[in-house]
Amino acid sequence: KQEVTQIPAALSVPEGENLVLNCSFTDSAIYNLQWFRQDPGKGLTSLLLIQSSQREQTSGRLNASLDKSSGRSTLYIAASQPGDSATYLCAVRGSNAGGTSYGKLTFGQGTILTVHP
Amino acid sequence: DVKVTQSSRYLVKRTGEKVFLECVQDMDHENMFWYRQDPGLGLRLIYFSYDVKMKEKGDIPEGYSVSREKKERFSLILESASTNQTSMYLCASSLVRAESQHFGDGTRLSIL
Repeated sequence: KQEVTQIPAALSVPEGENLVLNCSFTDSAIYNLQWFRQDPGKGLTSLLLIQSSQREQTSGRLNASLDKSSGRSTLYIAASQPGDSATYLCAVRGSNAGGTSYGKLTFGQGTILTVHP
Repeated sequence: DVKVTQSSRYLVKRTGEKVFLECVQDMDHENMFWYRQDPGLGLRLIYFSYDVKMKEKGDIPEGYSVSREKKERFSLILESASTNQTSMYLCASSLVRAESQHFGDGTRLSIL
C-alpha cells in the first residue's frame, strides 16, 4: 500500500527566504505526482503536476522535482511571500501493471507554511 | 476555468439521518471523486466515478454510497449518519482519469 510522508509538518520563515518542502513515497510505481496548495477552510488548488518520466516542473517561483527511483519529490519556493502561507500537499497517482492509471491519488498529510513579514 | 461547486459549505445533521452532499462541475469532466479530510489522517478517497452511473470504491467506502445520474453531478450519501462521519468533505473532478484533479471548496459536516 502506498504511503506518502511530508517533512516538515510545519515551517515558519521570514519573507524573502527560499525554501524546500519534502515529500517521500514508499512505492515507486507511480504514474505522476501532484503538488497542491490549501488555504484555511478551502479546497485544494493544483500547483504542479510531474509525470513519472519527468524530473522537474516549474511555474513562476515554484519548482518541483521528482526522483522516482528513490521515492522523493521536493517543492522549491523562491523568494517566499506572506501570500504563500498555506498548507502544501503532495499526492501520488498510482500506476497499474499496464502502465496506465486508475487515477486514484494518495495524499501526504501536508506541510503548514507560514511566511511572516 | 473549471468550476467545482459543492452545495453547502457548512452542514449540521443528527445521528441516524440520511445525508446528501452534492457536487456539480461545469467542464464536462468524465471523472469525479469524493474525499474526506481529517486532522492527522489527511485526505482519503471515499468513492469515485469514471462515467455516468459508474462508481468505484475508494479506500474508505464503509457507511457511504454515491450516485451519478448525470455527468456533471456526483452525490455522496451517508445512509445513516454517525458522529465519526463528522469531517470536511471534498469533491474533485478531472477530464482525464490520470491527470490533474480540480477541487471544490469543501463541505464541513458536523454530525451531532
